[in-house]
Amino acid sequence: QKEVEQNSGPLSVPEGAIASLNCTYSDRGSQSFFWYRQYSGKSPELIMSIYSNGDKEDGRFTAQLNKASQYVSLLIRDSQPSDSATYLCAVTLSGGGADGLTFGKGTHLIIQP
Amino acid sequence: KAGVTQTPRYLIKTRGQQVTLSCSPISGHRSVSWYQQTPGQGLQFLFEYFSETQRNKGNFPGRFSGRQFSNSRSEMNVSTLELGDSALYLCASSTTGQSSEKLFFGSGTQLSVL
Repeated sequence: QKEVEQNSGPLSVPEGAIASLNCTYSDRGSQSFFWYRQYSGKSPELIMSIYSNGDKEDGRFTAQLNKASQYVSLLIRDSQPSDSATYLCAVTLSGGGADGLTFGKGTHLIIQP
Repeated sequence: KAGVTQTPRYLIKTRGQQVTLSCSPISGHRSVSWYQQTPGQGLQFLFEYFSETQRNKGNFPGRFSGRQFSNSRSEMNVSTLELGDSALYLCASSTTGQSSEKLFFGSGTQLSVL
């Protein structure tokens, strides 16, 4: 059974600091990895995707993937109060069809002004 | 371009009833996926449709079913409702449903079963 594990938090980070969110997954066949942000009462929104080992940067966000360790992380630099949300890690197998995303239960991030 | 539209936004039902939820994907998107979100279990995959065919199904009982129409709109049905079916049901669309594609989520339907 595919599992994705995240620390539920809350993770409290002062404004301007780096927020580090972590995720581990159980299925070694996982090929695509995503970070979604979900504000309270809203639907998830994709902020980063990563498919190969290493780092991928997009603005203040950096996703890191280590397939050998089955570990994905998300770094948020210069954290802003607007970054306060639940961050969901999601993974999926490769293949031609959609096998559905397996989500972690999310980490609640609080950026303290 | 309009986003993913889900109706209704809220639903209140009683145990034993059935319910149908609707999802209109982004124009041009042919893949529609459904997810259930609860505080205890998080987001869980229900099923995915592409070109009116269910391609994959999550680990949910047969009371959960769906279909997709020729215009890519999708409906999800839950029969014989149980208290544990209370959840936020999210629909997501993408162009072809490839695993690497970005999913666009609707605002969801909040179902309460009394």
